[in-house]
Amino acid sequence: QAQLVQSGAEVKKPGASVKVSCQASGYTFTNFDIDWVRQAPGQGLEWMGRVHRFNGVTTYTHDLQDRVTMTTDPSTSTAYMELRSLRSDDTAVYYCVRDYYDKRGYYYDSWGQGTLVTVSS
Amino acid sequence: SSELTQDPAVSVALGQTVRITCQGDSLRDYNASWYRQKPGQAPVAVIYGRNYRPSGIPDRFSGSTSGDTASLTITGTQAEDEADYYCYSRDSTTNHVRFGGGTKLTVL
Repeated sequence: QAQLVQSGAEVKKPGASVKVSCQASGYTFTNFDIDWVRQAPGQGLEWMGRVHRFNGVTTYTHDLQDRVTMTTDPSTSTAYMELRSLRSDDTAVYYCVRDYYDKRGYYYDSWGQGTLVTVSS
Repeated sequence: SSELTQDPAVSVALGQTVRITCQGDSLRDYNASWYRQKPGQAPVAVIYGRNYRPSGIPDRFSGSTSGDTASLTITGTQAEDEADYYCYSRDSTTNHVRFGGGTKLTVL
């Protein structure tokens, strides 16, 4: 059973950076990519980007590509998401998700528990 | 347009059938997935691919696509199905993901 466990809640001031970790267990980490999805309070889901499961190649949503960096450490089965120059509208729950694929298609079959990042002065 | 459009809210009587729709150009090339999210919880996939249910999802959930519109149908809706539902698609060229704005399902 795949499991993703994220780091704890963070409170940051505008302009600061935050780095959220996501430790995977229960499967071979290098078999699936990790995506990051966020959800602002009372709002919908927003896809942030993806980091390749073993070569670290990333793809980001256009709106965040100048401020976000996603990495992995296969030796510890951990993925990281760093967001810089934080603004109040970055306040959200951040989820890491396993990008599962089989012959029938892609979907997110495992989600981390979510990390609340609050940006406030 | 790369946007996915969902009705903000839908209601259904207990035990009846409800359809939640999602419209967008990317759905012509990619089969939508659907996620259910209850308050305070992470989303859970209920449909992916053409019409496949992940393990543990009851068979009252089904999916279909016609043209640029994907549909999630719940047959015999239960009280525990009350939740927010999001559609999901991927761009066939960039492999970027797009979510619909979500539909709040109320079971009466």
